[in-house]
Amino acid sequence: QQQVKQSPQSLIVQKGGISIINCAYENTAFDYFPWYQQFPGKGPALLIAIRPDVSEKKEGRFTISFNKSAKQFSLHIMDSQPGDSATYFCAAGTGTASKLTFGTGTRLQVTL
Amino acid sequence: DGGITQSPKYLFRKEGQNVTLSCEQNLNHDAMYWYRQDPGQGLRLIYYSQIVNDFQKGDIAEGYSVSREKKESFPLTVTSAQKNPTAFYLCASKPGTSDSLYGYTFGSGTRLTVV
Repeated sequence: QQQVKQSPQSLIVQKGGISIINCAYENTAFDYFPWYQQFPGKGPALLIAIRPDVSEKKEGRFTISFNKSAKQFSLHIMDSQPGDSATYFCAAGTGTASKLTFGTGTRLQVTL
Repeated sequence: DGGITQSPKYLFRKEGQNVTLSCEQNLNHDAMYWYRQDPGQGLRLIYYSQIVNDFQKGDIAEGYSVSREKKESFPLTVTSAQKNPTAFYLCASKPGTSDSLYGYTFGSGTRLTVV
């Protein structure tokens, strides 16, 4: 059972544009929602994370928007840069996040 | 520098062979994890351990085994029972009790190929 659905599978954005990646979850017990960034041949790195007591969290050019009633959350990358080209994973976990469930990933390409 | 070291970076396995992937961390993290990554399928949890000498099966544990004899080490053995072992394997760790917003720290992965 896929508990975290991520879309789109791939995304091409022009430099300076906004990249938007969406995730939806089923398990209402999830209370921790991180996003990871992965470059080819490397392990994922934590980008930003949110708990459901807030609807938005911003760190630099990266923003998570969270809609608890719709069980959806999204990552917005403002002023997208070629260096942002990577695969992005959403994830969800419970409590101390002893176990995370990952989405299937979005491959982002930022063109000049 | 603190971090997670996975070795080897590339590994080739013959049919019917067991192979062991190494994962060592010097972050003093309590919890450690093994994930398998396949194209289009994201990361799937194989095994995890929250404390020394204890570990739990993840979603795809069949054909794999682990041990956690030391806090720093969490090796993964891919046995001959795993019928489709070709994948990118990722080890991760996390502090056991601190704010989970710190997230997981991942290693750089081991790419296993069956030849």
